[in-house]
Amino acid sequence: DTGVSQDPRHKITKRGQNVTFRCDPISEHNRLYWYRQTLGQGPEFLTYFQNEAQLEKSRLLSDRFSAERPKGSFSTLEIQRTEQGDSAMYLCASSSRQGAHSGANVLTFGAGSRLTVL
Amino acid sequence: GNSVTQMEGPVTLSEEAFLTINCTYTATGYPSLFWYVQYPGEGLQLLLKATKADDKGSNKGFEATYRKETTSFHLEKGSVQVSDSAVYFCALRNTGTASKLTFGTGTRLQVTL
Repeated sequence: DTGVSQDPRHKITKRGQNVTFRCDPISEHNRLYWYRQTLGQGPEFLTYFQNEAQLEKSRLLSDRFSAERPKGSFSTLEIQRTEQGDSAMYLCASSSRQGAHSGANVLTFGAGSRLTVL
Repeated sequence: GNSVTQMEGPVTLSEEAFLTINCTYTATGYPSLFWYVQYPGEGLQLLLKATKADDKGSNKGFEATYRKETTSFHLEKGSVQVSDSAVYFCALRNTGTASKLTFGTGTRLQVTL
């Protein structure tokens, strides 16, 4: 296992279409995160899972967005009825829980999935 | 709420110059602080971290000291190389937030020969 994998790396779609991104975390990591990064900005938190449970969702995650992690391993992020404002890099990260406030609990990021909505 | 403010880029330096990228933060409690680096076409990589006041994180010649009194975590390197050209992100994680990170907007560094 060499890190966090994301697929596809690039997706170009027309407005109104649905898209799905997949993330495969580091195998021993039980926490998985989705972030969105727009051009010239830092990543913004979208949602996170501990095992298969989705424990937090940002207000950025509108009802057109849905994320799943059905078996506590890989995760998918689906965007329905895409809009041009959804164009961004979607980043996945994973970590292991080493105590509730452990300073050693570091996120490892994937290379991201870049979405362009025409 | 939590926020991170970074100096705007791009920062352009000649090889072997001294680098400082400023980062200040606003947070309740006692956050952990991080610097991530993003090379072209690659994902974010952790560069260094500090988990409590006065800690110094260091890696690959980069250093940053957690200054609670000035709420700062400035990134420094004594002699930059062309290979350090990348975008640098300062981030914080507050206690009890399950590793959720709040990032700054990033600072692009361009190092020339």
